Amino acid sequence: QKEVEQNSGPLSVPEGAIASLNCTYSDRGSQSFFWYRQYSGKSPELIMFIYSNGDKEDGRFTAQLNKASQYVSLLIRDSQPSDSATYLCAVKYDMRFGAGTRLTVKP
Amino acid sequence: EAGVAQSPRYKIIEKRQSVAFWCNPISGHATLYWYQQILGQGPKLLIQFQNNGVVDDSQLPKDRFSAERLKGVDSTLKIQPAKLEDSAVYLCASSLDVGRVNSPLHFGNGTRLTVT
Repeated sequence: QKEVEQNSGPLSVPEGAIASLNCTYSDRGSQSFFWYRQYSGKSPELIMFIYSNGDKEDGRFTAQLNKASQYVSLLIRDSQPSDSATYLCAVKYDMRFGAGTRLTVKP
Repeated sequence: EAGVAQSPRYKIIEKRQSVAFWCNPISGHATLYWYQQILGQGPKLLIQFQNNGVVDDSQLPKDRFSAERLKGVDSTLKIQPAKLEDSAVYLCASSLDVGRVNSPLHFGNGTRLTVT
C-alpha cells in the first residue's frame, strides 16, 4: 500500500516566522515530489516540485528531499497571512496526495 | 493557455440517482486524472488516463463509478447510483506526460457534488 503521510495540523506561526511542513512516503520507486497550496474552496495550485536529493529554493519557499529517509519538506520563510492555506504533498509515481497540513499565519 | 475546464461547478442530487461530470484538459496534455476530495481530506486519486488508456483505477469504486476518455482528450466521470458518502468535490487534473518527472498537475475548478 503506497502511503503519503502529512501532519494534518493545524500549524500556526506568527507573521515573519519560518513555517516547516513535512511529508513522508512509503514507495521507494517514487520519482518526484510536488507541493501544492489549496485555499479554502479553491483547487490546489502548484508551489514547487523537487526530484533530486537536497534543497531547491524558489523565492520564500524551499523544498528539501531526502530519498534515503523517504522524507520531503517545505519551508516557508517570512511567512505572511496570505500563506494561510492547506499545503498538500503529492508523490509521483502515481500522483498520490497526502491529507494536507493546514497552516495559519497570524499577523 | 486555457486551463482545465470542468462542468458543472455544482450538482445536488438525491441518493440512488446518477450524475456525470465532464473535463476538458489543457491542450496537448496526455495524462488526465480524476480525484475525489472529501471536506477536510486530501485529494484521492480515482483514475488516471494516459491518452485514452487507463493507467491506474485501483481506487475507483467500480460497482458505481465509471470513467472514460474518448479520443484521448475530454473525459467523463459517472456515478450510478450515488450514495450519501459520494458528497465531495471532484477534481480533474491534467499533465503533459506521466513519464516526465517534472510534469506537474494542473487542476480544474472542480465539481462540488452534494448527495441528499
